[in-house]
Amino acid sequence: QVTLKESGPGILQPSQTLSLTCSFSGFLLSASSVGVGWIRQPSGKGLEWLATIGWEDVKHYNPSLKSRLTISKDTSNNQVFLKITSVDTADTGTYYCAHTLGYWGQGVMVTVSS
Amino acid sequence: DIVMTQGALPNPVPSGESASITCQSSKSLLYSDGKTYLNWYLQRPGQSPQLLIYWMSTRASGVSDRFSGSGSGTDFTLKISRVEAEDVGVYYCQQFLEFPLTFGSGTKLEIK
Repeated sequence: QVTLKESGPGILQPSQTLSLTCSFSGFLLSASSVGVGWIRQPSGKGLEWLATIGWEDVKHYNPSLKSRLTISKDTSNNQVFLKITSVDTADTGTYYCAHTLGYWGQGVMVTVSS
Repeated sequence: DIVMTQGALPNPVPSGESASITCQSSKSLLYSDGKTYLNWYLQRPGQSPQLLIYWMSTRASGVSDRFSGSGSGTDFTLKISRVEAEDVGVYYCQQFLEFPLTFGSGTKLEIK
């Protein structure tokens, strides 16, 4: 059974760096064609894809945020990470990680506030 | 970037009736392997999105056969037959042909 679970700081201040962790089970990120991505959703709004990392460590980023994003993985511990630098209030929302085959985590709420 | 445009529903939809949600892509999602790289998701209130349909017309595991996907390379339809209370939520189409992955803005389904 594939499961994913996101974790994060909950609240942080503008200009700080947001660090998110996706812990997963039921699949291996070292397996061929497997990938994990991050998607976010401001409250009451739509979905925005942020980044994806593949089994071969190839990384793809949303061009509109690329300079602020870093995705990485720890294959041995079944985790994927996302860092977003210089956050502001527009980064407030729910952050999801998802397997490329369509399995999503429950999401983690992040609030950026001074 | 591929732009995904979704249509609206004439809400609320009477229970037991059918509903069709449209989605249009700015570029053909039909690849040379013969597959169309389009997903449909349902996000129920307070939940994360659930995959309903992938490759435009293949139902995900455990998804009711009341859901069906169809279309061409750029125009797609998700049909929900005999709508039920559990179908309430926001439906998203998403292309996974190329990066950046992009979603439609969502279509809300309400039931009467």
